Amino acid sequence: GQQLNQSPQSMFIQEGEDVSMNCTSSSIFNTWLWYKQDPGEGPVLLIALYKAGELTSNGRLTAQFGITRKDSFLNISASIPSDVGIYFCAGRLNYGGATNKLIFGTGTLLAVQP
Amino acid sequence: AAGVIQSPRHLIKEKRETATLKCYPIPRHDTVYWYQQGPGQDPQFLISFYEKMQSDKGSIPDRFSAQQFSDYHSELNMSSLELGDSALYFCASSLGRVTEAFFGQGTRLTVV
Repeated sequence: GQQLNQSPQSMFIQEGEDVSMNCTSSSIFNTWLWYKQDPGEGPVLLIALYKAGELTSNGRLTAQFGITRKDSFLNISASIPSDVGIYFCAGRLNYGGATNKLIFGTGTLLAVQP
Repeated sequence: AAGVIQSPRHLIKEKRETATLKCYPIPRHDTVYWYQQGPGQDPQFLISFYEKMQSDKGSIPDRFSAQQFSDYHSELNMSSLELGDSALYFCASSLGRVTEAFFGQGTRLTVV
């Protein structure tokens, strides 16, 4: 089945540092979504990407849809304590058509030291 | 803005019992997805619906069934519950099958 490899698995950083995480796949995706999840809560959508090469920002967050369509990265600049959580990438295989499921990456646990 | 509503938030059931989880999508959203997330795991896709028809099927056990109703809400029915079914169950909705999906707060199911 399709797999999304997300790295790093965890990051422990100081407040103010920049963070970078990425997802890679053996399959081509037509949509990449990035979510943040707090313990026991539902994933919250951060950024959606729909075109290869697309670079999108949301405040201190920037994400890019890889040219090959097989990868995406998320950057967080000037991290703050409330950035703590688990970040997931999610890819959708088909644009329209018979399938629309989102496949999730393995997650990156981010801890920020004040 | 209205979000995806899931009920109940918490559910405790005994082995071999049945459970029904409900999901109310964001108004005007016509696509619903169900995910199961075990402790420390990423969400695993179970099933999705578009315009009240099953759209995609993932790793949903045969003991589980789901449907989307005329008002677009969805229910996940789980029978013959097993200890391993204990997990967070999330519902997400989107407008169409290709746009961003928004998740609910989840239902924590504990099977004892």
